[in-house]
This record gives sequence, structure tokens and C-alpha cells, in this order.
Amino acid sequence: EVQLVESGGGLVQPGGSLRLSCAASGFTFSTYRMNWVRQAPGKGLEWVSYISTGSTTIYYADSVKGRFTISRDNANNSLYLQMNSLRDEDTAVYYCARDYSGGDYWGQGTLVTVSS
Amino acid sequence: DIQMTQSPSSLSASVGDRVTITCRASQDINNYLAWFQQKPGKAPKSLIYAASSLQSGVPSKFSGSGSGTDFTLTISSLQPEDFATYYCQQYNSYPRTFGGGTKVEIK
Repeated sequence: EVQLVESGGGLVQPGGSLRLSCAASGFTFSTYRMNWVRQAPGKGLEWVSYISTGSTTIYYADSVKGRFTISRDNANNSLYLQMNSLRDEDTAVYYCARDYSGGDYWGQGTLVTVSS
Repeated sequence: DIQMTQSPSSLSASVGDRVTITCRASQDINNYLAWFQQKPGKAPKSLIYAASSLQSGVPSKFSGSGSGTDFTLTISSLQPEDFATYYCQQYNSYPRTFGGGTKVEIK
């Protein structure tokens, strides 16, 4: 069974940092591209970042470029999102999603709250 | 960036109704269009990919159609478990973009 489990969310002050993790199981993680998608409270879905299987191709939304860094560890079946210089508007549930047919499997999400 | 315009933003329907949601892309997306269902407090669930292909395990009451820039999600006979918010997403290019969502409520 495919499973994606995010962790690392929490309350952080503006300007602070957090590192999100996504643990993958039930499939060959190294052969799938991955995305992070977020959803602010009461709002729609916003794509955040993409990483290819070998980490050679990476994309970011303009809203996070220069502040967030996506990475992966294929040996440990894990995806990461390092978030620096956090702003109030980064408050959201962050989902990792397998990049197949537009996003066939999603994790349950982890809540990031940026507030003083 | 490709803009995705979804309509309506909300609708009220009764159990057994046929429901149609539309999604328009600002340019041709080569049928790289997915539909998701999201219930409160839950992650999005993939329903349709490549505009009209049903994800494994998704009931056949859901169907997708369209090509180029105009796409449709249809629920043939609405059931209580189908009341949710539905999103379209283009995956033709980055940045990936989503429609604003359609909230399907009970009449």
C-alpha cells in the first residue's frame, strides 16, 4: 500500500525556519518525481515545489523561491522541504504528493503556523 | 503561468442529481488535466487524470471529458459521500496550477 507521511510542522515565528519531512513507503520511491503542495486555512490548493527522481531538476513557486529548498534521500525513501524566512502567508497545511498522472497519492498533510 | 478557471465556485444539489463542474485553461494543456476531491480536514484524492481516465478504485459515477482548454467533471448520480470540494489541476507545465475549487453542498 502506498503511504506518504508528512511530519515537522508546527508553530514558528515570522522569520523562522522549519524542515518538513515526507516518509514514503509501499512503492519504489527513487523512481517517482515528487511535489509539495500547500493549502492555507479555508483556501484552495497551491503547488509549492517539484523535484525529479535524481534531484537534477527542481522547480519552485515564485512565492517561495529563494526561501524554500526541496530535497530527497532516495536511500531512505524521504522527501524534505526546508523552509526559511517564514512569513505569515506561509501558514498552511503542507502535503507531499507523488507526481504520477498529476498527483495520484497524497500524504495527510502537516500544519505549519507562522505567527508571533 | 497557465490560469485555471473553475465554475461554479459552489453548487447545491440533491441526492441522485447529475452534477457538472467545468474547468477552463488559459492555454492548451494537451489533456494534462486532473480532478481531485477533497473532504474537510482530509487530503485531496485523485479522481481523474489525463482529462478522462479514472483513477484505480474510483467509482464509475465520476467521469471526465474535454480537450484543449475546456474540461468537465460529471458525477452521474450524487450520493451523500460525494458532498465535498472538487479541484481541477493542469500538469502540462510548471508551475502546476489549480482551479479555485467547487464546493458541492446538499440542497
